[in-house]
Amino acid sequence: GAGVSQSPSNKVTEKGKDVELRCDPISGHTALYWYRQRLGQGLEFLIYFQGNSAPDKSGLPSDRFSAERTGESVSTLTIQRTQQEDSAVYLCASSLVRMAGGDTQYFGPGTRLTVL
Amino acid sequence: QQQVKQSPQSLIVQKGGISIINCAYENTAFDYFPWYQQFPGKGPALLIAIRPDVSEKKEGRFTISFNKSAKQFSLHIMDSQPGDSATYFCAATTGTYKYIFGTGTRLKVLA
Repeated sequence: GAGVSQSPSNKVTEKGKDVELRCDPISGHTALYWYRQRLGQGLEFLIYFQGNSAPDKSGLPSDRFSAERTGESVSTLTIQRTQQEDSAVYLCASSLVRMAGGDTQYFGPGTRLTVL
Repeated sequence: QQQVKQSPQSLIVQKGGISIINCAYENTAFDYFPWYQQFPGKGPALLIAIRPDVSEKKEGRFTISFNKSAKQFSLHIMDSQPGDSATYFCAATTGTYKYIFGTGTRLKVLA
């Protein structure tokens, strides 16, 4: 089936505005991840959803960041009162099963956020 | 302790040459080491992965070499092709969902 999709692909916003980024995981994947990728940097873990378990929000950089997931489907990452340092590519990934020792995470193409 | 240090930051290789990217870690609890390949405008995709019970894993032109005592692992791309030009990320995890990623290596293979 289709891979992980994200929308929008690009988002330009003004400082102080709120933004919502959407992720559609691969159908049947119970685990969903959000990462932030700053220019020239590695992937920074933000949040993890697994089934109906409480999400791991330990990577969210501030209380301006929040995320939701409806069941095992769509997830939305919301950034309130955006700041210029929030400019980055936001990547979503999903995986089928969380196995000990690591599972294969399938990434979407990302949303490039630019805060002016 | 949670860092994975990746080098070089960028690499230029002639077509047919060998590309080598290195990663080093501190946390001995890491037990799964994947490599991801990312093309411009795309998300990273799993390329090859290794567990610490083996010293080498080969898939086609891609090989991971793992040195447990030195806490280092590397990706070797044999017979590098222009189509291999991409950014490569190493990662490590302790058997949980939290991957620690390296900072990436931008590889360019000259035709």
